[in-house]
Formats: sequence, C-alpha cells, structure tokens
Amino acid sequence: DAKTTQPPSMDCAEGRAANLPCNHSTISGNEYVYWYRQIHSQGPQYIIHGLKNNETNEMASLIITEDRKSSTLILPHATLRDTAVYYCIVRITTDSWGKLQFGAGTQVVVTP
Amino acid sequence: GAGVSQSPSNKVTEKGKDVELRCDPISGHTALYWYRQSLGQGLEFLIYFQGNSAPDKSGLPSDRFSAERTGGSVSTLTIQRTQQEDSAVYLCASSLTYNEQFFGPGTRLTVL
Repeated sequence: DAKTTQPPSMDCAEGRAANLPCNHSTISGNEYVYWYRQIHSQGPQYIIHGLKNNETNEMASLIITEDRKSSTLILPHATLRDTAVYYCIVRITTDSWGKLQFGAGTQVVVTP
Repeated sequence: GAGVSQSPSNKVTEKGKDVELRCDPISGHTALYWYRQSLGQGLEFLIYFQGNSAPDKSGLPSDRFSAERTGGSVSTLTIQRTQQEDSAVYLCASSLTYNEQFFGPGTRLTVL
C-alpha cells in the first residue's frame, strides 16, 4: 500500500472548518483513500473513504485532487469532541478485507 | 445496537505469565482484526480472520502470540510468556464490508 504523509499536529477553533491534508504521491490506480480518527482512550472510528471523486457524509467531506496524489479531509464545523488523532490511510482494493496500516496521523486540537 | 466488546478492559500480569484477551465482534460481522498500540506509538496490525479463510497472521511479532476465532464469532488473543515490551493497548475490530472496521475499546495490558 502507498505511504501517506500528514502534518503531526494542527489546531482549529471551535465552529470553524478544519482542513486536514494528506499526501499520497505514490498512490496507484486501484487504491482508495480512507480516513479514521481516534479520540483519546478510544478505538479508532471510520470517517470516510473515496477513490477519485469527492465524497461527503454526515461527519466530513473528502476532497481528492485530480492527480490523486493528495487529499483533504474537511470537518465543516469543528466541535470540541472532534479533538482526536486523524489517520489518512491508502488501501489497495484487491486486499479488500485486509489490515489497515496506520501511520502517525495528525493530532487535531479544537479550542474554544 | 451493541458494538465490539473486549475483556478485560485492563490486565496487569507478571513477566513470563500467559494472558488471554477476548473480543466479541458485532453479530454477523464476518471479518475480525487484532491490532495493538504501544505507548506513544501508532496502531500495529497483528492478525485478521475473514470467514472460513485461513487467517492472515503476518503481523504477529513472535510465536508467543496466537489467536483463534471460534464459531466465526468470539476471538481470543493469547500471549505466552509475556515480556515487558508486550505492554500495550490491544484493539479488536470487526467488519461486515471491506470499507468500515468497527473498533472495540481495547484491553490495556501491563506486564510488570
């Protein structure tokens, strides 16, 4: 699976949009981009995934660049409960049932 | 509905003892995964089970680690002759589709 690069940390003001970047310049055509987050002392939680089109659900939006070498997770209105480590994971589709390979992620702190 | 449950939530053991960690996946989920997270480290894949297929054991760090899944449901991760470096949070996840893994709260293992 392709490696990902994320900033180690970022702060966001409550109520503002949080834009979390992820670089995956070696991504191949059959690899999806997944986002998970881990709130302190909890297990990771799935957020969203996509292949090449932008995706939106009740939690977030995922914007993938046209060349698919990078993506941005957008939390539209950050709340204090969104403070967590956010993981960007690239996953090959032919290994659909396989493991998730987590990197270091981005520690997001939402401040009042 | 009920999520993934793990027991015990905390386990303290002495070096050299064996431990068993239990995971109850979401009912009907065919895939089950074990990960661990050492202090200050990212999540590390250990093993996964998918239906009746042979498990993917590629992440087990040594032959002291083993896991089984009985009846396609409950799973037990066993660590024999525990070492201090085995201290970590052990996380279990289950999934019904290849997109989203649902994680349990984890078992915190401390080896003295």
